[in-house]
Amino acid sequence: AQSVSQHNHHVILSEAASLELGCNYSYGGTVNLFWYVQYPGQHLQLLLKYFSGDPLVKGIKGFEAEFIKSKFSFNLRKPSVQWSDTAEYFCAVNADSSYKLIFGSGTRLLVRP
Amino acid sequence: KAGVTQTPRYLIKTRGQQVTLSCSPISGHRSVSWYQQTPGQGLQFLFEYFSETQRNKGNFPGRFSGRQFSNSRSEMNVSTLELGDSALYLCASSLTTEADPQYFGPGTRLLVL
Repeated sequence: AQSVSQHNHHVILSEAASLELGCNYSYGGTVNLFWYVQYPGQHLQLLLKYFSGDPLVKGIKGFEAEFIKSKFSFNLRKPSVQWSDTAEYFCAVNADSSYKLIFGSGTRLLVRP
Repeated sequence: KAGVTQTPRYLIKTRGQQVTLSCSPISGHRSVSWYQQTPGQGLQFLFEYFSETQRNKGNFPGRFSGRQFSNSRSEMNVSTLELGDSALYLCASSLTTEADPQYFGPGTRLLVL
């Protein structure tokens, strides 16, 4: 069965620190990859997406992610986090034209001022 | 453009009752998906509709059902509610294909007593 793993469940960083959140998926076919963010009290928002082409994709608010097909990974990065990045981050995969998103369990990020 | 809207935002029901949740997609979006979010199971796909047809269904019992209307608005119904159905139910809309990103609404928080 298809699955998405986010190994870091909780991450605590100080402002200006660099961020990398891991995401691995288990599916060998064609995938579309997404990162969503859920700020406290707000609904899920799309951060970035990968469909094809350049494996390094840039999203909103300075976030980027790199698709490494050989490692089945789609890690999220940000060079310098801000207090306002405190949120829960979800990696999601749409596999093989299935019209559904499979989500990872999420990573709660706390950025200390 | 207005985002995805869901009504009601909060709902309290008792075991055995049934409930209907409503979702209005972003204007021009023809695909509507439903997800259940709980602390224990995370985000799980319920079903997806396009042009009034269900294209995909998740692993939920038959008590969970949905439909889509000709204006792309969608409803989901849960019959014979159980305590474990307490969750945040999220609706997402997208344009047409599986490659289009899904945009989420604020959700309906259902509490079953």
